[in-house]
Amino acid sequence: DAGVTQSPTHLIKTRGQQVTLRCSPKSGHDTVSWYQQALGQGPQFIFQYYEEEERQRGNFPDRFSGHQFPNYSSELNVNALLLGDSALYLCASSLEQVAGVTETQYFGPGTRLLVL
Amino acid sequence: DAKTTQPPSMDCAEGRAANLPCNHSTISGNEYVYWYRQIHSQGPQYIIHGLKNNETNEMASLIITEDRKSSTLILPHATLRDTAVYYCIVRPSRNDYKLSFGAGTTVTVRA
Repeated sequence: DAGVTQSPTHLIKTRGQQVTLRCSPKSGHDTVSWYQQALGQGPQFIFQYYEEEERQRGNFPDRFSGHQFPNYSSELNVNALLLGDSALYLCASSLEQVAGVTETQYFGPGTRLLVL
Repeated sequence: DAKTTQPPSMDCAEGRAANLPCNHSTISGNEYVYWYRQIHSQGPQYIIHGLKNNETNEMASLIITEDRKSSTLILPHATLRDTAVYYCIVRPSRNDYKLSFGAGTTVTVRA
């Protein structure tokens, strides 16, 4: 039973560039959430995708955008990269069993992004 | 905004039970208590969650006080591989899908 997978594992970009990170949810899951974890801090919620729509967003600027595909996989895009975007980006998946009910999220290993 | 308070760090001996406390005095009736842990440089791992009753699974036990204002995660026989940051998270049961992580407790298991 495949868990949550993310690619790439590591990435180096320069300021001003754009980056796309990818996530495949755990088998059978239909919901994907993205988190940013700066060094020494807990993960911070970016947004969640369900039925190919963003349905909840954390306190992140519009430079952070996402997409969910019909097969439930997801992408996180960050434009105009800043040095402060350097972090571990985590994807978590869950299964929506009853509308509106929060479900347990399972995390992938993350993508470590370094912005120079 | 984390709704929980945890000690920043704790040590425990290998083979002994590790009891991790968490205060959540403002918890409301429809909010669950979730526990995750994060081993260095890996993604958080789900451990257990509960609403009112005590819960047990293959990883740990969760004891929630009757007034629900605090809880304890118990790792029954700690091993070196249990060294990690442990996060206690309070989360609504409906319509708020995020997990709000605080600073957690850094648990070091010593041989």
